[in-house]
Amino acid sequence: DVKVTQSSRYLVKRTGEKVFLECVQDMDHENMFWYRQDPGLGLRLIYFSYDVKMKEKGDIPEGYSVSREKKERFSLILESASTNQTSMYLCASSPGHGASIYFGEGSWLTVV
Amino acid sequence: GIQVEQSPPDLILQEGANSTLRCNFSDSVNNLQWFHQNPWGQLINLFYIPSGTKQNGRLSATTVATERYSLLYISSSQTTDSGVYFCAVWGTNAGKSTFGDGTTLTVKP
Repeated sequence: DVKVTQSSRYLVKRTGEKVFLECVQDMDHENMFWYRQDPGLGLRLIYFSYDVKMKEKGDIPEGYSVSREKKERFSLILESASTNQTSMYLCASSPGHGASIYFGEGSWLTVV
Repeated sequence: GIQVEQSPPDLILQEGANSTLRCNFSDSVNNLQWFHQNPWGQLINLFYIPSGTKQNGRLSATTVATERYSLLYISSSQTTDSGVYFCAVWGTNAGKSTFGDGTTLTVKP
């Protein structure tokens, strides 16, 4: 089975802190994604990556950056966390264009 | 970009009832998936179904790609079926998937 692991399930951070959300997949998938989910707004794509060191902006990249130094790992970075970034963050991976997408368990981030 | 609409937005059922959830999309697709998001937030893959019909236990799905819709059938619903059901499509010319807004299903005992 595909395993997508998000490093932290629940985090509480202070405004202005730098926050790292880590995601690891164990199936050698080419594509990795970061989404955020908020009540009433569905899933919104922040960034995605087709390959190591490659990244593409999604629908809401402002305030975020990403890093993909190794194929299995995709990190989401909040350079200076703000309260409006309080949300659930979901990482996903897929083996290629148009293939099945597999999600991690999600990370609940609260910024106070 | 491609538009994805799910209906109904909310559905309340009594345990044992059957239901049909619909996903309409605006353009041709390479991929369509159905997911169930459980109360703990995790998205579980139900079906990868760009066309045709698949069944898995009490759940089945049909995608008619030429008419740009997919249906998810839940038979003999159980309380554990509660949650949000998402449809996601990967457009033929798109670099990423697009999700619908989901259908929130509540199954009452």
